[in-house]
Amino acid sequence: DTEVTQTPKHLVMGMTNKKSLKCEQHMGHRAMYWYKQKAKKPPELMFVYSYEKLSINESVPSRFSPECPNSSLLNLHLHALQPEDSALYLCASSPNSALNSPLHFGNGTRLTVT
Amino acid sequence: EDQVTQSPEALRLQEGESSSLNCSYTVSGLRGLFWYRQDPGKGPEFLFTLYSAGEEKEKERLKATLTKKESFLHITAPKPEDSATYLCAVQGGIVKETSGSRLTFGEGTQLTVNP
Repeated sequence: DTEVTQTPKHLVMGMTNKKSLKCEQHMGHRAMYWYKQKAKKPPELMFVYSYEKLSINESVPSRFSPECPNSSLLNLHLHALQPEDSALYLCASSPNSALNSPLHFGNGTRLTVT
Repeated sequence: EDQVTQSPEALRLQEGESSSLNCSYTVSGLRGLFWYRQDPGKGPEFLFTLYSAGEEKEKERLKATLTKKESFLHITAPKPEDSATYLCAVQGGIVKETSGSRLTFGEGTQLTVNP
């Protein structure tokens, strides 16, 4: 078990659906991240929230919309996705300092877009 | 631009057969080098952080070392449960306290340990 909890574990959605991925951590970390990982590839950074403010957006399409309601929660809202968006979506967190901070990952949401 | 290259892409070992994984990196001002283990369908599990050349860290059968250009993950007498993909990542450059941590990952080494 990890200290970063992601729900749901699996999600199948059509291209016209709207869904949300949720992430929660209670380690007091002040930075939270969304990564996308395709099969046999390393994680790719999508968004970073630091102190509940969006600090990094890696040119992600607008059909992905992140939200950080508080320091423990991170959401990723999905709308009008494409089949190529099917992947493992990983949430991670790190302590309040950006310097030399290891990321702690959740076990991800396996997303399939049909 | 930071770059990380891991080798080999895949490695098969017999139980008890020690070996090393390589992570070569190019980064503007290394802040930290991180090793992760990832099991299929799971998120990466943090193993080690190395900060400066010459540093070494150990955990059970794993030992990570760092030079100015590369890092090695040595696996001593591996067991089948060590089978996983091992990811190396670097953080470099000027990092602001409020910016969060941007890591550059390598492609990983898929390790299989046969009984």
